[in-house]
Amino acid sequence: DTGVSQDPRHKITKRGQNVTFRCDPISEHNRLYWYRQTLGQGPEFLTYFQNEAQLEKSRLLSDRFSAERPKGSFSTLEIQRTEQGDSAMYLCASSSPGLEDYEQYFGPGTRLTVT
Amino acid sequence: GNSVTQMEGPVTLSEEAFLTINCTYTATGYPSLFWYVQYPGEGLQLLLKATKADDKGSNKGFEATYRKETTSFHLEKGSVQVSDSAVYFCALIRNTGGFKTIFGAGTRLFVKA
Repeated sequence: DTGVSQDPRHKITKRGQNVTFRCDPISEHNRLYWYRQTLGQGPEFLTYFQNEAQLEKSRLLSDRFSAERPKGSFSTLEIQRTEQGDSAMYLCASSSPGLEDYEQYFGPGTRLTVT
Repeated sequence: GNSVTQMEGPVTLSEEAFLTINCTYTATGYPSLFWYVQYPGEGLQLLLKATKADDKGSNKGFEATYRKETTSFHLEKGSVQVSDSAVYFCALIRNTGGFKTIFGAGTRLFVKA
């Protein structure tokens, strides 16, 4: 297994369009996280899945954002009616309950630019 | 709430200089502490970690010690190289609840030859 993968790596879209990102976690990891990173800031937590259940959502996740993990493997993050403020790097991470330190492994991110 | 505060950058050093990047945290319970590094154009990479008080994490010449009494996890390196130029993020994970990672704002390091 080569780690967490994300697709696409870059996305440019016009304001008002919908976009969807995909994350494939490390195969044996049952926890999956989404974060958003804006320029000059650290990543901020968006939402978290354990298997297929979405257990926590940040207040940052407005109702235009929806995330799914239908079979407890890959996850998608959809942003509807994109706004320029949505421009950011979207990071996915995964972890295993067997890790004592709860370390999360991060993917390369999807950079979204809304024009 | 839980938070991480790290020194503002950028930090500019000459090659072979000593590096310290300060990090303090606020958290309930006993979090695990991490330093991540982000090289230009690349994703987040775990640099080192510590899971309990007085633990020292180390990797690639970098070290940080988990100090519960001062709620700190300062990053140090005795002799920096140009290739260490990157953004460094201090982070914590609480060992209860959703286990989300809480990051500091990052400190950009420039190392001059």
